[in-house]
Amino acid sequence: NAGVTQTPKFQVLKTGQSMTLQCAQDMNHEYMSWYRQDPGMGLRLIHYSVGAGITDQGEVPNGYNVSRSTTEDFPLRLLSAAPSQTSVYFCASSSQGQGLSPLHFGNGTRLTVT
Amino acid sequence: RKEVEQDPGPFNVPEGATVAFNCTYSNSASQSFFWYRQDCRKEPKLLMSVYSSGNEDGRFTAQLNRASQYISLLIRDSKLSDSATYLCVVTPFRENTDKLIFGTGTRLQVFP
Repeated sequence: NAGVTQTPKFQVLKTGQSMTLQCAQDMNHEYMSWYRQDPGMGLRLIHYSVGAGITDQGEVPNGYNVSRSTTEDFPLRLLSAAPSQTSVYFCASSSQGQGLSPLHFGNGTRLTVT
Repeated sequence: RKEVEQDPGPFNVPEGATVAFNCTYSNSASQSFFWYRQDCRKEPKLLMSVYSSGNEDGRFTAQLNRASQYISLLIRDSKLSDSATYLCVVTPFRENTDKLIFGTGTRLQVFP
């Protein structure tokens, strides 16, 4: 059982480039979310989705887009990368609303923007 | 004041020791509470939920104090494998349980 799969594991971008971080889960979870983790800041919610076709903003959504066309996939798009987006990104899923069931995290994507 | 605050540590303890972490939260309407564990350069994983009556899972005990707005995690008989960062997680609003607030974590280092 793969759980939550994120790709790529590492990425280096130049300022202004765009890219998509991929996230897929095979647990048939309705809820999926993206977090970024920075030193001294804790994990911060970027965007989340309560089901296919439904997305909403989290705490730090600026500069990121998401879509949820299927239950399994929840890609995160960086529109025009900035050095402030250098971070570790985690995708997570849960079977119910995030306060009601555990979050299952992917392995993370380490992104550096130069 | 941060919504969720933790002592960053590190807590350096010998094997077999008992260690406790506290986490304070600012929103009295917070409804759900969790402890997650994160190993170095790995993803967080749920350690345990925290219930109003307190709960225990083997060597780990979690407690909630609503009056003082903090949760605690007690680890007894520490093992080397307990070395990790422990994240306190809170759902801040009674109306919306889809957003969790993570603390910055408390680092534990268990030495032989």
